[in-house]
Amino acid sequence: DAGVIQSPRHEVTEMGQEVTLRCKPISGHNSLFWYRQTMMRGLELLIYFNNNVPIDDSGMPEDRFSAKMPNASFSTLKIQPSEPRDSAVYFCASSVRDEQFFGPGTRLTVL
Amino acid sequence: GESVGLHLPTLSVQEGDNSIINCAYSNSASDYFIWYKQESGKGPQFIIDIRSNMDKRQGQRVTVLLNKTVKHLSLQIAATQPGDSAVYFCAETANDMRFGAGTRLTVKP
Repeated sequence: DAGVIQSPRHEVTEMGQEVTLRCKPISGHNSLFWYRQTMMRGLELLIYFNNNVPIDDSGMPEDRFSAKMPNASFSTLKIQPSEPRDSAVYFCASSVRDEQFFGPGTRLTVL
Repeated sequence: GESVGLHLPTLSVQEGDNSIINCAYSNSASDYFIWYKQESGKGPQFIIDIRSNMDKRQGQRVTVLLNKTVKHLSLQIAATQPGDSAVYFCAETANDMRFGAGTRLTVKP
């Protein structure tokens, strides 16, 4: 089992550019979560999907952030336009019941 | 407001000693709790969980204790090893999952 796959692992971009983070959950898992981790705020839930449907997006910081899950095996988190304060590690996690399995994360740096 | 917090940001122990990491939570509606371990450059990894109808659960070298009266959660690691060095997060679930700030455990040889 490959686990949760995220790409890219590292992303460096300039302020104002669009950033798209990708996630492939573990096959058979029906819930998918996007988290952001920073030193100042720790690990924060941004949004989660159940059976490809967004259930709670109250953690999405602004309209610049959007997430989609077009099918059970793929999700994207998009930031447009990106800002330096978006710099963080973004984790995707999936679950079938309570235990969430995390991907390796994408380290985003916005200059 | 509701919050999940940790008492200590860092903990340093000698190899072979037992470690205890504490966590306080304030949402009395939380009914499920998880401890995660995060090594440098990696995502959080599930260690052990416990539901609110239990007060203790044991795994391999780890034990989680839940005291609902004082809203306190602890993780005990027996015979701590260098490979246990990491940041440990508690997480609580009511309607969604909220993570504590994390405690960095350092194991000295």
